[in-house]
Formats: sequence, C-alpha cells, structure tokens
Amino acid sequence: DTAVSQTPKYLVTQMGNDKSIKCEQNLGHDTMYWYKQDSKKFLKIMFSYNNKELIINETVPNRFSPKSPDKAHLNLHINSLELGDSAVYFCASSLRPEGRQETQYFGPGTRLLVL
Amino acid sequence: GNSVTQMEGPVTLSEEAFLTINCTYTATGYPSLFWYVQYPGEGLQLLLKATKADDKGSNKGFEATYRKETTSFHLEKGSVQVSDSAVYFCAQGGSEKLVFGKGMKLTVNP
Repeated sequence: DTAVSQTPKYLVTQMGNDKSIKCEQNLGHDTMYWYKQDSKKFLKIMFSYNNKELIINETVPNRFSPKSPDKAHLNLHINSLELGDSAVYFCASSLRPEGRQETQYFGPGTRLLVL
Repeated sequence: GNSVTQMEGPVTLSEEAFLTINCTYTATGYPSLFWYVQYPGEGLQLLLKATKADDKGSNKGFEATYRKETTSFHLEKGSVQVSDSAVYFCAQGGSEKLVFGKGMKLTVNP
C-alpha cells in the first residue's frame, strides 16, 4: 500500500541514451511533482502537474519531458542523457497545488547514473 | 524571490545531545514553513510544519516555532537518538511550490 511509488529504483545507462522513470500515487491527490536531488543533496523542483495539466515548468533542458496520462501517474522521459543528469529523481504528490500549506508526499527516489 | 537559508553541516552529535538546526527565510507575504527529513536511502517525509506566525510545529520530539519578527523556523530536539541520523530540509510554501533549503546531514553516534 505504498503511497507514492517510482520505478525503477536504480538506473544505470550510457550517455546519449533515452530513458523513462515512472511514478504512481494512490493517495487520490490532484497534484504531482518531479524533483532532482544532486550529489550535495540540493533539491530542486523540475515540474508540477495538477489534474494532468502542467503548472510548474522550471528552467529544465527540453531533453526532459514529463507526461501525465492521468492524475495518479506522472512519468519523466529523458532524451540524450548527459553525465550531468546523474542524480536522484524524486516524485511527490499533494492534495492540491497550492504550495503554501500543502504537505507533499515523496516517493523513494530513482537513482540515475549516466556513464 | 523566496528563499530558505539553513545550516548545511554535516553535523555529528552524540546520543542524548541537544540539537538546533537554524533556518531563516525570505518571502513576500506569510508562507507556511516546513521541516522535511530524509532518512538514508529514502525519500523526504514531512517532520513538522507551521502555517502562521507564532505557531509551533512538533513531532517525534522535534519542535520549531514560526518567528515572523526574525523570519526564522529553527528546528530543535532536546535529546537526539541514533535513529535521528538523516538529512533535514527546511522549506517554505510559496504560492505554487515549495522552496527548500540545501539540507543538513546529521549523524548521531551512540
């Protein structure tokens, strides 16, 4: 009964490849997020979707493309992977999009290593 | 723009020591304030939060008080345990997104 799940947990791939990370939440939330955490633990938001619509799109290379087939799922596709994409990617969800008060629930993370 | 500044560490303490992790914020308006904790190998989880000035959030022996006059939300625990070893993130809730501090790694030794 995991609240926010991500697959895969680990991803090791070569530079130039294309890969996808999947996220699912069973909390009935309307809003989902992708974050990137670098090797120094710094956490930066990448995207947010509310009810399948993109509402936050930070300064992220257009090699990164999120897709939300329904409000319980938010996937992240990365084209032409680069060494600098190596990081831990976290999916999160919240009941509503307002960051002011909403608690976000995080998945366990996907550890991406680009060789 | 909105930002959060927190102690970065890493910090190592002995079990039963007192813990303070400083956090200050800059914001327009009055954001909600959060402390999230990330245990080794896991995602972040909410530790506590406060939504208005003078509110105190508390959980698992941790406390933090929303201080508007000093724009601070310092995290404290009177007696840390080995199981508190984790990375602690201060965050503020803006209109659409959370803004996180850089995180502070805490190691508690027996």
